[in-house]
Amino acid sequence: KAGVTQTPRYLIKTRGQQVTLSCSPISGHRSVSWYQQTPGQGLQFLFEYFSETQRNKGNFPGRFSGRQFSNSRSEMNVSTLELGDSALYLCASSLSGTGPYEQYFGPGTRLTVT
Amino acid sequence: AQRVTQPEKLLSVFKGAPVELKCNYSYSGSPELFWYVQYSRQRLQLLLRHISRESIKGFTADLNKGETSFHLKKPFAQEEDSAMYYCALSYNGGSQGNLIFGKGTKLSVKP
Repeated sequence: KAGVTQTPRYLIKTRGQQVTLSCSPISGHRSVSWYQQTPGQGLQFLFEYFSETQRNKGNFPGRFSGRQFSNSRSEMNVSTLELGDSALYLCASSLSGTGPYEQYFGPGTRLTVT
Repeated sequence: AQRVTQPEKLLSVFKGAPVELKCNYSYSGSPELFWYVQYSRQRLQLLLRHISRESIKGFTADLNKGETSFHLKKPFAQEEDSAMYYCALSYNGGSQGNLIFGKGTKLSVKP
């Protein structure tokens, strides 16, 4: 099976702009989660989508949003970018059910905000 | 609030020495705990989960609810074990994708 893919892999944006990141899960996986990874805070959970609905949400401001499409692909959007949003954004997909299920991670999108 | 603590940022051992990577968690319910590993230039991947009680690549981890710990152990470290290790907690029975990660421990195994 093809792994989780994320596009783009690298992105440079300016403060105040917005950005959209994309994630394609492993075929058959209906859950897609997003994480932010920074040197200071480590890996932090952003949100999870399952069957086109946000099922869980981390402690991030409303500037961070996402959605999931009927084919399970997911997008994450960050509006009004701040310097502190510079990070590696990881997407992970998994089966969902009685669990505990392994999460399969993508390579990440490296976002730099200048 | 749920929290995962990995007290060591870096752990350096010699090949053949025992390894223990510490993980403590804070959660009042019954957590599902995982160890994820990231080798150099590779993706983050699952190493093991506590419910499986399995040994992967010689690593084992036991959940100690009294001490709220889930330490990762290996009796004889190998150079290929050098990687970043993350302890993670799920409070939805592991069936949902909302892991809480520790900040990770970098394991360096010297020849």
